[in-house]
Amino acid sequence: DVKVTQSSRYLVKRTGEKVFLECVQDMDHENMFWYRQDPGLGLRLIYFSYDVKMKEKGDIPEGYSVSREKKERFSLILESASTNQTSMYLCASSPSPGTGNSPLHFGYGTRLTVT
Amino acid sequence: DQQVKQNSPSLSVQEGRISILNCDYTNSMFDYFLWYKKYPAEGPTFLISISSIKDKNEDGRFTVFLNKSAKHLSLHIVPSQPGDSAVYFCAASSIQGAQKLVFGQGTRLTINP
Repeated sequence: DVKVTQSSRYLVKRTGEKVFLECVQDMDHENMFWYRQDPGLGLRLIYFSYDVKMKEKGDIPEGYSVSREKKERFSLILESASTNQTSMYLCASSPSPGTGNSPLHFGYGTRLTVT
Repeated sequence: DQQVKQNSPSLSVQEGRISILNCDYTNSMFDYFLWYKKYPAEGPTFLISISSIKDKNEDGRFTVFLNKSAKHLSLHIVPSQPGDSAVYFCAASSIQGAQKLVFGQGTRLTINP
């Protein structure tokens, strides 16, 4: 079974802090993704990565950056946390596109509150 | 611009009856559609998918129907069970979009005993 592990289930941070959300997958997947989930808005893609050291912007990248130094690890960085970044953050992984349309495998999520 | 829409935020169904969740999309380039199920405090889990070359896919109690001309898909659960109570997300992707999934807003399904 694919396991996607997010380092924290709950986080509380102050406005202006730099925040790191870590995600590790154990299935040697090429693709990794960061989504946020908000009521009434569903899941929105922040950033994704098709390979080590590669990253691409999703639909809502403003205020975020990412890092993928190793294949199994994909980090989301909030450069200066703001209250409108209070949300559920979900990391996901999947095999390369060459294997066909493979469903995303999600972690449990990190509930981030910015005060 | 919401490319994938789930217009019903919530749905309540009696145990044993059929649950029908609906999803509409606007991008005609979408060629692969998925349903995910999410329990509170957990990540979404993949439920069932359908390619645009099909109009129906069935897996046990779950069936997904695709109507390409109407740009509409639906998920049927029959019979509904209390453990089906969750938020259901519809998602879509296209070859040009590679592995990027576009999600709907979600529908909270409650199965009443």
